Amino acid sequence: GNSVTQMEGPVTLSEEAFLTINCTYTATGYPSLFWYVQYPGEGLQLLLKATKADDKGSNKGFEATYRKETTSFHLEKGSVQVSDSAVYFCALSTPGGGATNKLIFGTGTLLAVQP
Amino acid sequence: DAGVIQSPRHEVTEMGQEVTLRCKPISGHDYLFWYRQTMMRGLELLIYFNNNVPIDDSGMPEDRFSAKMPNASFSTLKIQPSEPRDSAVYFCASSFRGNLAGGPRSKSYEQYFGPGTRLTVT
Repeated sequence: GNSVTQMEGPVTLSEEAFLTINCTYTATGYPSLFWYVQYPGEGLQLLLKATKADDKGSNKGFEATYRKETTSFHLEKGSVQVSDSAVYFCALSTPGGGATNKLIFGTGTLLAVQP
Repeated sequence: DAGVIQSPRHEVTEMGQEVTLRCKPISGHDYLFWYRQTMMRGLELLIYFNNNVPIDDSGMPEDRFSAKMPNASFSTLKIQPSEPRDSAVYFCASSFRGNLAGGPRSKSYEQYFGPGTRLTVT
């Protein structure tokens, strides 16, 4: 079946450090891949997405590349800020025939950035 | 657009009481999802609708939970009777499927989440 595995947290970094949050997936067909971010007390927000192999999604300095050969979609940012502190979720969807439009979410990774 | 709207934002109730959570999806979206988030179990999909019709309710914990979508702009999630283990944040999300022409690599169907309802059952 379809599944998403992401690295366990919490991840604690100092401001301006480089961030990587690993995400790997198992899926049939051609999934689309997403990173969602959840700030404290809020709902999930779409951060970036990629719909086919080798696509790079990017937003707010974050980026992730859809790697079909390694079934991965790792999230990176070159220089994190305190305001990036949040929980990050990797997710996949498998569009196609039938009334299926579910997202499969990973367990979430808490990022804490210290000044 | 106002985004997905949920009410109430916070609900505190006593065990055994009925609880009704409400959701207004983004106008024009044809999918609606109900999720539950807890520290222990993370984010769980409870049920989802397509064009107001329930498609998959396999995530609904038990018969105490029910969900309805009487029209394209409104959905409810009801718990009756409520129990302390139902305490969680409940999220509603909506999405638009779009045009499927183009094969399996077409639209990505991202979901848009509401702010959630924090339910506490004492």
